[in-house]
Amino acid sequence: EVQLVESGGGLVQPGGSLRLSCAASGFAFNDYYMNWVRQAPGKGLEWVANIKHDGSEKYYMDSVKGRFTISRDNAKNSLYLQMNSLRAEDTAVYYCAREPNRWIQLWYFDFWGQGTLVTVSS
Amino acid sequence: EIVLTQSPGTLSLSPGERATLSCRASQSVSSSYLAWYQQKPGQAPRLLIFGASSRATGIPDRFSGSGSGTDFTLTISRLEPEDFAVYYCQQYGRSPRTFGQGTKVEIK
Repeated sequence: EVQLVESGGGLVQPGGSLRLSCAASGFAFNDYYMNWVRQAPGKGLEWVANIKHDGSEKYYMDSVKGRFTISRDNAKNSLYLQMNSLRAEDTAVYYCAREPNRWIQLWYFDFWGQGTLVTVSS
Repeated sequence: EIVLTQSPGTLSLSPGERATLSCRASQSVSSSYLAWYQQKPGQAPRLLIFGASSRATGIPDRFSGSGSGTDFTLTISRLEPEDFAVYYCQQYGRSPRTFGQGTKVEIK
């Protein structure tokens, strides 16, 4: 059974940093592209970042470029999102999401974690 | 950026009725790279449809997707109690990949 479990969310002041983690199990993690998608309270979904199965390519939404870094450790079946210079508008539930096909970048998501809430406030 | 506009914002229907949800794109969505997701309160989204009309694994056949270009539709043929939720469309053909704002299907 595919499982994605996020952790690391919490309350942080504007300008602060946070590192999110996503523990994957039940599939060959090192074969799949992975993503972070966020959802502000009461709002819709917003794609944040994407990483190739081997970590060699990374993509970001414009508003987080230079502030967020996506990474992965395939030996630990884990995905990460390092978030720096956080702003109030980054407040959201952050979901870890898998793309459906091995080795192929498709940009839609067949499995999602339950999410971790990040609140940026003073 | 491709903007996806979903309508209506809220759909009030009774179990057993047919639901028709619309997703309109500001530009043509290449190769029908459009997906639909269902989200219930406090839960993660669930993939329903990809490629505009292909059902994801385990999705009941009362869910169907159609459309091309800029106009797409999700149809739920007969609403079951568990289908009352928020539905999002997503285009994945062009960067940045974007979602619609959602349609809430509520019990009338």
